[in-house]
Amino acid sequence: LAKTTQPISMDSYEGQEVNITCSHNNIATNDYITWYQQFPSQGPRFIIQGYKTKVTNEVASLFIPADRKSSTLSLPRVSLSDTAVYYCLVGASMDTGRRALTFGSGTRLQVQP
Amino acid sequence: GAVVSQHPSWVICKSGTSVKIECRSLDFQATTMFWYRQFPKQSLMLMATSNEGSKATYEQGVEKDKFLINHASLTLSTLTVTSAHPEDSSFYICSARVVGQGASEQYFGPGTRLTVT
Repeated sequence: LAKTTQPISMDSYEGQEVNITCSHNNIATNDYITWYQQFPSQGPRFIIQGYKTKVTNEVASLFIPADRKSSTLSLPRVSLSDTAVYYCLVGASMDTGRRALTFGSGTRLQVQP
Repeated sequence: GAVVSQHPSWVICKSGTSVKIECRSLDFQATTMFWYRQFPKQSLMLMATSNEGSKATYEQGVEKDKFLINHASLTLSTLTVTSAHPEDSSFYICSARVVGQGASEQYFGPGTRLTVT
């Protein structure tokens, strides 16, 4: 399974845009890139998923370069409630669904007022 | 999106006793569910893959006789921590994948906080 590398922590202020970059040099052809958010004592929550180029939904954007060896999660205008741990995972490929996602260390985002 | 529930949300038990945690997929069927464990300030670690109608597959280092997994139906998987010890105190999270519409997504339960005294 592809291993991911993210910054351990990031700090930001309310209203700013936050970009978290993840490296996944060994990503396989069939692998997708998925980002999750986790608050303390809660299960991870799906944020966004993509395969290449750019994906945008109501909460975030995901930028993936052509070589797919990295990806960047962009959170526009963060608020205090965005303080959480963000995980980048690869491997949600189109398979039978029997393979679990493997979590890396994640990025702890702290948003200040 | 798909919903996964867990019960109980927290439990305290005495050392040496057994504890059962239930994981249910509420609005979809899951032939495969996954169990993770998370210690404070650490990431999620996959413990085992639960397969409906067959034996679970355990990750290296996870004792199958201590962490009993039963996937009795397409919507229910249970994890039983047998003869629990304080070092088993952790946050246990289950998940399931929804397959069929392009890339499959993995949905997580809210987690169960186990404290062994």
